[in-house]
Amino acid sequence: EPEVTQTPSHQVTQMGQEVILRCVPISNHLYFYWYRQILGQKVEFLVSFYNNEISEKSEIFDDQFSVERPDGSNFTLKIRSTKLEDSAMYFCASSITTSGSYNEQFFGPGTRLTVL
Amino acid sequence: GIQVEQSPPDLILQEGANSTLRCNFSDSVNNLQWFHQNPWGQLINLFYIPSGTKQNGRLSATTVATERYSLLYISSSQTTDSGVYFCAVDGATDKLIFGTGTRLQVFP
Repeated sequence: EPEVTQTPSHQVTQMGQEVILRCVPISNHLYFYWYRQILGQKVEFLVSFYNNEISEKSEIFDDQFSVERPDGSNFTLKIRSTKLEDSAMYFCASSITTSGSYNEQFFGPGTRLTVL
Repeated sequence: GIQVEQSPPDLILQEGANSTLRCNFSDSVNNLQWFHQNPWGQLINLFYIPSGTKQNGRLSATTVATERYSLLYISSSQTTDSGVYFCAVDGATDKLIFGTGTRLQVFP
């Protein structure tokens, strides 16, 4: 069964460093998302991406964040200068369509980011 | 924005017991999904159910869109059912808005 994959599963970094989290969405899906979950809290939307551009972003998704689809399969989230409060589980998701029709989102296993 | 509330926040069961988890949402939605977050943190899709009733093995879900709630039923619970159950909805936009979850612990 097709699934969303994410690498790495766990990333440890020093405050101020840049990190890139990678995702491979399900191959025939057209809509891509990043969410994050701070330990013990609920899952929060960061950004959605369609047709090579951001379609929506949350207040959390400030200038230190960026997303890219560098090729036909990968979808990346870059954090330019990590802060302690960026420590969280980051989930990638994809869906075949968007709101208004069948738009079930499928989530990857997550990348646990620890900022020291 | 849409508010999503889940109840109860915590649930402790003995193996074999049945349970009902509730999700209330504050506005009409296009998408409603139930997830199980396992102890490793993975979000497992349980149901895509913006309306109606679905069943999958020991789990079933019902969404009454006109009354803005959804229910997840777990029958004959097993220790592997332990974890956090999240309801998530979207309105007119792409993003899923998650509830705060129900933490389920099933003991042998």
